[in-house]
Amino acid sequence: TQLLEQSPQFLSIQEGENLTVYCNSSSVFSSLQWYRQEPGEGPVLLVTVVTGGEVKKLKRLTFQFGDARKDSSLHITAAQPGDTGLYLCAGAGGGGNKLTFGTGTQLKVEL
Amino acid sequence: GAVVSQHPSWVICKSGTSVKIECRSLDFQATTMFWYRQFPKQSLMLMATSNEGSKATYEQGVEKDKFLINHASLTLSTLTVTSAHPEDSSFYICSVYPGLGTDTQYFGPGTRLTVL
Repeated sequence: TQLLEQSPQFLSIQEGENLTVYCNSSSVFSSLQWYRQEPGEGPVLLVTVVTGGEVKKLKRLTFQFGDARKDSSLHITAAQPGDTGLYLCAGAGGGGNKLTFGTGTQLKVEL
Repeated sequence: GAVVSQHPSWVICKSGTSVKIECRSLDFQATTMFWYRQFPKQSLMLMATSNEGSKATYEQGVEKDKFLINHASLTLSTLTVTSAHPEDSSFYICSVYPGLGTDTQYFGPGTRLTVL
């Protein structure tokens, strides 16, 4: 069974601070997705990383896939209240095109 | 990415009744869709894989006779919660898998089910 552990579980910061969310597993994934979910809505795709060591940037968000494709990180620079939400990583490669979701990181950015 | 809709967005029902939730892929044909449930402040838990024209594949611990899935067309999958009980109250989310060279799934907006 593939498991994805995210840390921290909860994070409350002030606007303008930087933060990093980690997504770790002992399993190898063929790709990894990051989603953001707001209350009462479905997850929205932020990025897909495929190659070990890959780094992708999306404005103030930087995503990295570990060299061994077992872990990933999400770094947010100068967080804004609009970044508030539940961040979910999800790994693929367990068969049947299924995704294994991480445990989630609830981020709150306050003014 | 793919555009996915769900209907209804929320539903309240009495214990013992059945509720049907629809998931539609609006801009492409999806042979594979997935159904998840999510409890408050928790991550998504995969319930089943919905395959167009064939039986759904359920995850371990998910009762197939309670959560009926029908994927009769390439744009529509339905999840019916039969004989609903309060413990079935949850947020149900579907996703579509375009299969266009990546493993990415695109999610619907979710359906909030409350069973009284």
